[in-house]
Amino acid sequence: DAGVIQSPRHEVTEMGQEVTLRCKPISGHDYLFWYRQTMMRGLELLIYFNNNVPIDDSGMPEDRFSAKMPNASFSTLKIQPSEPRDSAVYFCASSPEGRGNYTFGSGTRLTVV
Amino acid sequence: AQSVTQPDIHITVSEGASLELRCNYSYGATPYLFWYVQSPGQGLQLLLKYFSGDTLVQGIKGFEAEFKRSQSSFNLRKPSVHWSDAAEYFCAVRGSGGYQKVTFGTGTKLQVIP
Repeated sequence: DAGVIQSPRHEVTEMGQEVTLRCKPISGHDYLFWYRQTMMRGLELLIYFNNNVPIDDSGMPEDRFSAKMPNASFSTLKIQPSEPRDSAVYFCASSPEGRGNYTFGSGTRLTVV
Repeated sequence: AQSVTQPDIHITVSEGASLELRCNYSYGATPYLFWYVQSPGQGLQLLLKYFSGDTLVQGIKGFEAEFKRSQSSFNLRKPSVHWSDAAEYFCAVRGSGGYQKVTFGTGTKLQVIP
């Protein structure tokens, strides 16, 4: 298994631009999580899906952030418009049962200038 | 609400020495507990987990952790550290009932010297 695949690995964009981060979870994992990691705030859960349905999006910082999971093998996290304070590493993780035993992707390092 | 504390931000050990990373949690009942490791530029990798049963848990890469309910602790240990163990280690806690968020600690960065 190739694990959780995220793209792109690095993204540099200008303030105000739309950014789309992509994730392919492990086949058969029913849970998908989006996390953000910064030095100041550590790891923050943004949103999670169960069987492609968003269950808890209370961690999404504001309306500029949106996430979708159109099928079991693909999810996107979109930021529109992006701001410098969105600069962080964004991780996607999947899990077969959602109890906390996650497989993380390698992350997308986002820099908004 | 649950919380987790990793009191050591940075630890340095010599290669071949033993290692213990501390983790304390706060939760009203028996939690689910985890240790993850993150190498630079990589995602987090699950080292081991505790759901129930034997309080001494074996993980990958020769790591183990012991759940001590009386001390609200879940410390990570390794008898002999290798240079490749240099990384950041995260303890995490989750409530055991229904859906609950996983709370990650702030991490302990491990440096291994020759």
